[in-house]
Amino acid sequence: DAKTTQPPSMDCAEGRAANLPCNHSTISGNEYVYWYRQIHSQGPQYIIHGLKNNETNEMASLIITEDRKSSTLILPHATLRDTAVYYCIVFTSGTYKYIFGTGTRLKVLA
Amino acid sequence: GAVVSQHPSRVICKSGTSVKIECRSLDFQATTMFWYRQFPKQSLMLMATSNEGSKATYEQGVEKDKFLINHASLTLSTLTVTSAHPEDSSFYICSARTGQGSGNTIYFGEGSWLTVV
Repeated sequence: DAKTTQPPSMDCAEGRAANLPCNHSTISGNEYVYWYRQIHSQGPQYIIHGLKNNETNEMASLIITEDRKSSTLILPHATLRDTAVYYCIVFTSGTYKYIFGTGTRLKVLA
Repeated sequence: GAVVSQHPSRVICKSGTSVKIECRSLDFQATTMFWYRQFPKQSLMLMATSNEGSKATYEQGVEKDKFLINHASLTLSTLTVTSAHPEDSSFYICSARTGQGSGNTIYFGEGSWLTVV
């Protein structure tokens, strides 16, 4: 199974861009990278996913390196409500599972 | 995004009794649903994968006779914690997948807090 590595915590000033990195060096060619976030005591919320091209939606942008071994989730203008644990997941097509790592606890500071 | 609903959101039960948690996909058909549990300040741990009309696949270390999973329709999966004990107290979360392809997304329910007293 492709595993992901994320920094345990990050701080970001309100209004600034939050850049959350993720390493997935064992990813296979057809495996997607997904990002979710979890606000305390709630189910995870889908943010974005991608295969090899950069992706953008109303919530965030996803930048995937050319070798696909790492990616960065960008929240362009972080707000206090973006404080959450952010999980980077590689969908393992071989075993058909979404395995969560430890995630990054992002704290947005006023 | 797609909506997944869990019920109940909170439940307290007595030790030795069983409790059922429902997971519904409200606006799409989910051939595959996943059940997770989460302890405080920890990540989500995958318990089992359920496919509509077939037996669930349990992760290593998860007792299938204790955590009964039924996925009888394309919009409903249930998790029954049998003979619950205080150590089963946890946050249980289900998710449902919108399709079979690798690019399909899973959406999560709101989670269910189980407290066994």
